[in-house]
Amino acid sequence: DGGITQSPKYLFRKEGQNVTLSCEQNLNHDAMYWYRQDPGQGLRLIYYSQIVNDFQKGDIAEGYSVSREKKESFPLTVTSAQKNPTAFYLCASTNSRDRRAEAFFGQGTRLTVV
Amino acid sequence: DAKTTQPNSMESNEEEPVHLPCNHSTISGTDYIHWYRQLPSQGPEYVIHGLTSNVNNRMASLAIAEDRKSSTLILHRATLRDAAVYYCILRSGGTSYGKLTFGQGTILTVHP
Repeated sequence: DGGITQSPKYLFRKEGQNVTLSCEQNLNHDAMYWYRQDPGQGLRLIYYSQIVNDFQKGDIAEGYSVSREKKESFPLTVTSAQKNPTAFYLCASTNSRDRRAEAFFGQGTRLTVV
Repeated sequence: DAKTTQPNSMESNEEEPVHLPCNHSTISGTDYIHWYRQLPSQGPEYVIHGLTSNVNNRMASLAIAEDRKSSTLILHRATLRDAAVYYCILRSGGTSYGKLTFGQGTILTVHP
């Protein structure tokens, strides 16, 4: 079945450590996205990518990094520079050239800094 | 980026219709209006989209104002499973064609 998979579902990190969240899709979508969601809040865009080896900053990119070496994969690294990394992280993908196309989301990764 | 504005929250009773409004006064002629909903602790899921004409699907209906500056998502008979956060977004062309920006959404509470 086609879909978008995030792993792990829950992640615990010590302060000062970098951690990488995985996002994989087999929908042949060109565009992939990372969002952050805090309790009771909407989705805020961290980074997005429309083509392999290229990505754009979203609204809250500071303290995060991404790579897009393969069309199917768009990992997000939460660095030690991110001052408040505890949040729910969502990955999405879509066909960016078709404005009618729906976006598909993963089930999310809940990151907790301990 | 074209922005959308939604009420923070709305309430409904089970089996009654729900009309969720969205304002997008800066929409451009080629922007599509999309709606998504997010159940607790899950990723959002697509509900419906439209450009100019009203749209219906098995989940909901989308009514688009003639000037396209606002739209309304209609759930014809709300169920408890419809309790979620509903997001209205615009998919734009031009230099922002790849960017997908979500706002705060509307928290829908459905009472039994």
